[in-house]
Amino acid sequence: GESVGLHLPTLSVQEGDNSIINCAYSNSASDYFIWYKQESGKGPQFIIDIRSNMDKRQGQRVTVLLNKTVKHLSLQIAATQPGDSAVYFCADFYSSASKIIFGSGTRLSIRP
Amino acid sequence: DTGVSQDPRHKITKRGQNVTFRCDPISEHNRLYWYRQTLGQGPEFLTYFQNEAQLEKSRLLSDRFSAERPKGSFSTLEIQRTEQGDSAMYLCASSLAGQRQGTQYFGPGTRLLVL
Repeated sequence: GESVGLHLPTLSVQEGDNSIINCAYSNSASDYFIWYKQESGKGPQFIIDIRSNMDKRQGQRVTVLLNKTVKHLSLQIAATQPGDSAVYFCADFYSSASKIIFGSGTRLSIRP
Repeated sequence: DTGVSQDPRHKITKRGQNVTFRCDPISEHNRLYWYRQTLGQGPEFLTYFQNEAQLEKSRLLSDRFSAERPKGSFSTLEIQRTEQGDSAMYLCASSLAGQRQGTQYFGPGTRLLVL
């Protein structure tokens, strides 16, 4: 069965506001958690990942938070822009199997 | 463009026909993956190569599906006797052993429609 799942299938935010996309996972054996962005007609694009022994990782305008106590992962996008409109997937990675397990995705739409 | 490329981008076929898709990974990447994505869902892992060796196959990959990577560079995915349930986006990804292995670079996909 699925080991990662997103809380909301859709999220609408005002341009310029911060976006928070949440994800729950069930398997504690994952080595990495990863966020991918998929725009219409394109393949998924790597955004940021976090090792399972970390709590927080920051990138350019994005922050991923990992709460292992409640098995929860979130992606925060600062100052959301129209180009951020996409489907966002959380995923976990098992190095023993060398494969990524994707969740079902949250569609982020931006209101002008 | 040095990203992952896939051909064709779209394929329409009739039920029962065979189809073959090609993936060209990023040139120095020795790992290549195939995923299938249906509408509204995340990609599902199908199979994985390291160089020319196929190291893992998902139970999703029925006997009608076969993948090859004969020279450790490009790969092909063939579906024999296609069924309507095979309609999906087929995604290829590549990565370099030793890098953070979750950093797989995806191609644009081949969208298959079986009539």
